[in-house]
Amino acid sequence: AQTVTQSQPEMSVQEAETVTLSCTYDTSENNYYLFWYKQPPSRQMILVIRQEAYKQQNATENRFSVNFQKAAKSFSLKISDSQLGDTAMYFCAAHGSNYQLIWGAGTKLIIKP
Amino acid sequence: EPEVTQTPSHQVTQMGQEVILRCVPISNHLYFYWYRQILGQKVEFLVSFYNNEISEKSEIFDDQFSVERPDGSNFTLKIRSTKLEDSAMYFCASSEVGILFFGPGTRLTVL
Repeated sequence: AQTVTQSQPEMSVQEAETVTLSCTYDTSENNYYLFWYKQPPSRQMILVIRQEAYKQQNATENRFSVNFQKAAKSFSLKISDSQLGDTAMYFCAAHGSNYQLIWGAGTKLIIKP
Repeated sequence: EPEVTQTPSHQVTQMGQEVILRCVPISNHLYFYWYRQILGQKVEFLVSFYNNEISEKSEIFDDQFSVERPDGSNFTLKIRSTKLEDSAMYFCASSEVGILFFGPGTRLTVL
């Protein structure tokens, strides 16, 4: 079965600190994308960062970066210099068949002032 | 920047009624999806749609649900005979290849 696991239900850090959210996945696809989505209190789903599995280089988007370990099927998200606006639920997702997404359960991230 | 839009933002309905949730995907996208998220739970895949037909559906997507692309721009999710447990956020998404862009969601409340 294709699964995505986020083992941290909730995390809390001080503003400006760095935080890493973990994600492991299992997919039978040969080529796939991995994603981190942010869901703020508005409950909108916002794409934070994506990684193509065939690329060895870790994706980076400003303060957000990933540590992609393909052999270990691990895809963690690092947020540097965290800001109050980063407070949200973060969902890790991986492609299943037909480009549908398989979702993790989410990590609630709280940035404290 | 193109975006996926959804209407209404919030729909309240009585149990047993039919609802239609509407989505306008990004215009050059070929794949369309519906997901739902029951409050406090993980996001669940409902259905994917390509070339005017369902390409994949989950076990949640039973005969109560249907999707349609009636006019080449809108993508609708119809829920017949709504139940209390259908209360959730429903997200539409579209993609060209690979990367899904989500709409803001429709909050469905079944009373």
